[in-house]
Amino acid sequence: ETGVTQTPRHLVMGMTNKKSLKCEQHLGHNAMYWYKQSAKKPLELMFVYSLEERVENNSVPSRFSPECPNSSHLFLHLHTLQPEDSALYLCASSPREREIGTDTQYFGPGTRLTVL
Amino acid sequence: GQNIDQPTEMTATEGAIVQINCTYQTSGFNGLFWYQQHAGEAPTFLSYNVLDGLEEKGRFSSFLSRSKGYSYLLLKELQMKDSASYLCAVLDSNYQLIWGAGTKLIIKP
Repeated sequence: ETGVTQTPRHLVMGMTNKKSLKCEQHLGHNAMYWYKQSAKKPLELMFVYSLEERVENNSVPSRFSPECPNSSHLFLHLHTLQPEDSALYLCASSPREREIGTDTQYFGPGTRLTVL
Repeated sequence: GQNIDQPTEMTATEGAIVQINCTYQTSGFNGLFWYQQHAGEAPTFLSYNVLDGLEEKGRFSSFLSRSKGYSYLLLKELQMKDSASYLCAVLDSNYQLIWGAGTKLIIKP
């Protein structure tokens, strides 16, 4: 039990569908992250929210739309995706207390997304 | 640019010792992390190094040399359950994590 949950665990969608991924953290952290993980490639940071404010958006296509209604919940809304978007989407959270010096991220189990 | 290098795959024998290396070039340095990721599961935190030297935690140890931009993860008394990918990541000057592609470790009986 990592304290970060994600739903659904698996998702298959067509290119014209609209779906949403959900992440919830029970650790009292201030920051939440969306990552894309493709085979044999480094984790790609997509979005970062700190205290519910988006602080990073790493040139992600507009077909991915994040939402952070509060510090415990994070969504990733998907629409008109492409087959190359098929990957494992990981959510993470961290304390984001920089005065401590480190900021360990804790991950959810991920959503395996397949776009047909 | 920022870069993290680690071997793609390694094979070791149950009961043996294996060392997974990681070299990095980043804009600033605020620490280096090692994570373990079993297939289909979340990455889980293993260790954090910010000062030079060796940090030991049970069967796992992590070493850092900031002057060389180098770290290694040492796994002793290997068990079959240690078969996983091991991810190296560096926290840069903007407190952003820069990730390596991971090393897939295969343990053979």
